Amino acid sequence: ETGVTQTPRHLVMGMTNKKSLKCEQHLGHNAMYWYKQSAKKPLELMFVYNFKEQTENNSVPSRFSPECPNSSHLFLHLHTLQPEDSALYLCASSQVAVSTDTQYFGPGTRLTVL
Amino acid sequence: SQQGEEDPQALSIQEGENATMNCSYKTSINNLQWYRQNSGRGLVHLILIRSNEREKHSGRLRVTLDTSKKSSSLLITASRAADTASYFCAEGSGNTGKLIFGQGTTLQVKP
Repeated sequence: ETGVTQTPRHLVMGMTNKKSLKCEQHLGHNAMYWYKQSAKKPLELMFVYNFKEQTENNSVPSRFSPECPNSSHLFLHLHTLQPEDSALYLCASSQVAVSTDTQYFGPGTRLTVL
Repeated sequence: SQQGEEDPQALSIQEGENATMNCSYKTSINNLQWYRQNSGRGLVHLILIRSNEREKHSGRLRVTLDTSKKSSSLLITASRAADTASYFCAEGSGNTGKLIFGQGTTLQVKP
């Protein structure tokens, strides 16, 4: 798990707060991903970045705003979230954004929205 | 929903027994992947099988793929308590890196 790190590991925020999740990969990969994992639901892809360019936005509400300043770092900016946004947010990376590449996951950020 | 289904949703076995998990998928895949997740942690890639392959082995893992039935199975032989985790299949298609994950099977291996 040290190849992909995520901070913070746990976050509690109110609906009016603004917070950011950070992901960093140390694998020399060029693609990074954000996933949402809610209780009793399948893992949902949110965003894909390939060589710093966003290539996939899976109809994610605008209160989630991703940022990829370089191939090693990925952020998810959170603003005016809802309680149903409480979930485990997972970051992953792969060599490039193709489906045959193995994705390496971070440990996740457990988000609770009050 | 695009997501496939996994069967069973939960499985409890004794150490040393074999565990079989099944996955049905919906899209036209170019590969099918299996991942493992320990409770509340990130996923770990186990094995990838391409659409033109029918069976693949990796250590104690055996994966089969039947594209005519849009199904795959994961067999873990000689299970260990450390195999206790959730197992997910993921459909890979297209060129965007997008994976569609199944609901997962929660495996408990009792020592």
